[in-house]
Amino acid sequence: DTAVSQTPKYLVTQMGNDKSIKCEQNLGHDTMYWYKQDSKKFLKIMFSYNNKELIINETVPNRFSPKSPDKAHLNLHINSLELGDSAVYFCASSQDYLRGDTQYFGPGTRLTVL
Amino acid sequence: KQEVTQIPAALSVPEGENLVLNCSFTDSAIYNLQWFRQDPGKGLTSLLLIQSSQREQTSGRLNASLDKSSGRSTLYIAASQPGDSATYLCAVTGGNQFYFGTGTSLTVIP
Repeated sequence: DTAVSQTPKYLVTQMGNDKSIKCEQNLGHDTMYWYKQDSKKFLKIMFSYNNKELIINETVPNRFSPKSPDKAHLNLHINSLELGDSAVYFCASSQDYLRGDTQYFGPGTRLTVL
Repeated sequence: KQEVTQIPAALSVPEGENLVLNCSFTDSAIYNLQWFRQDPGKGLTSLLLIQSSQREQTSGRLNASLDKSSGRSTLYIAASQPGDSATYLCAVTGGNQFYFGTGTSLTVIP
């Protein structure tokens, strides 16, 4: 049974479009994260939610908007896609962000903007 | 701001060798340090988590150590196998810290 799942796995779209990536975890964790991994494989946190509340919002363009309908889901909506948004986006979850508990990652969504 | 660095960026060893991967961080006020493995085209898998009060953690052939005062952690892999080939990332986590290192790409040659 998949612990952290993301859809879609691949996303190819044109510049200027709006797209969403969905994430779900069945681990009962309180905290969920979105990370961006660039072409050099560097992984950087974008957002984190704890019990549906935004706790971390790094310097990310406001074209990116996370939404957490419940603590098992954290979706990422991106408006007006740009070439530089092409990357792999990973969702993750952990029991408690303050303690730095082990994070469990989804398989990633490879976004290509043409 | 915390900076996490991993050296070397790439490492190639023959099967059976013991090896050490290095991770350094600039701010010693950390909660935890985690080691992850990433296979090509896949997500990250947690290998070991060392709490700030601990010195090391072991799991099978893996041993991770932490020296907060010097801002260093090492991941020791004993008797390497081709299946160990992957990218290994360390991360400083906890509080509002979620910083990943640049990764070490390991290739174990049969």
